[in-house]
Amino acid sequence: DAGITQSPRHKVTETGTPVTLRCHQTENHRYMYWYRQDPGHGLRLIHYSYGVKDTDKGEVSDGYSVSRSKTEDFLLTLESATSSQTSVYFCAISESGGVNEQFFGPGTRLTVL
Amino acid sequence: DQQVKQNSPSLSVQEGRISILNCDYTNSMFDYFLWYKKYPAEGPTFLISISSIKDKNEDGRFTVFLNKSAKHLSLHIVPSQPGDSAVYFCAASGVNSGYALNFGKGTSLLVTP
Repeated sequence: DAGITQSPRHKVTETGTPVTLRCHQTENHRYMYWYRQDPGHGLRLIHYSYGVKDTDKGEVSDGYSVSRSKTEDFLLTLESATSSQTSVYFCAISESGGVNEQFFGPGTRLTVL
Repeated sequence: DQQVKQNSPSLSVQEGRISILNCDYTNSMFDYFLWYKKYPAEGPTFLISISSIKDKNEDGRFTVFLNKSAKHLSLHIVPSQPGDSAVYFCAASGVNSGYALNFGKGTSLLVTP
């Protein structure tokens, strides 16, 4: 299994509070991704990174920001959490952005009350 | 608008029989297709992929078929086993999307003994 961990694995927070989710990899892969999974929607890309300090928006980026200061860490921040951001968040990594499979972490279940 | 569609939310198959999971896509620029398997409370696991230059790819019990003219792909599992019971996601990517993965909503496969 690819070395990807996510923390925390579960979190309950209140509307309006900031939340940061962490993805850590030990594979030294260049690309990292954040997805959310919701019933009836499959997985949707939030943001991705193609190198240290290089990030770009995905399909559902509103309300989220990311940072990547080291190859191994990719942080997802909800500046002011809303109930619509209750979801399961998955981090993924890939060696390159080309024709390459992505490997997923175990997920973080976030509940915003 | 959903560019990758899995129109069957669920499928039930008897052990030993063939499971056929279907996927349609609308973006003709997609050139790489993947299938992921997901168990509850775990991240998606890469299963098999196919490039648009091929029409078939086989890996053990799993075969993916691609029909580019119909923008359709399918995953065949032969013979099906109870351990194959999971949610299967079809995903597609292409150079014009930065090779980010576009996922379908998933098909829940139940293999009964």
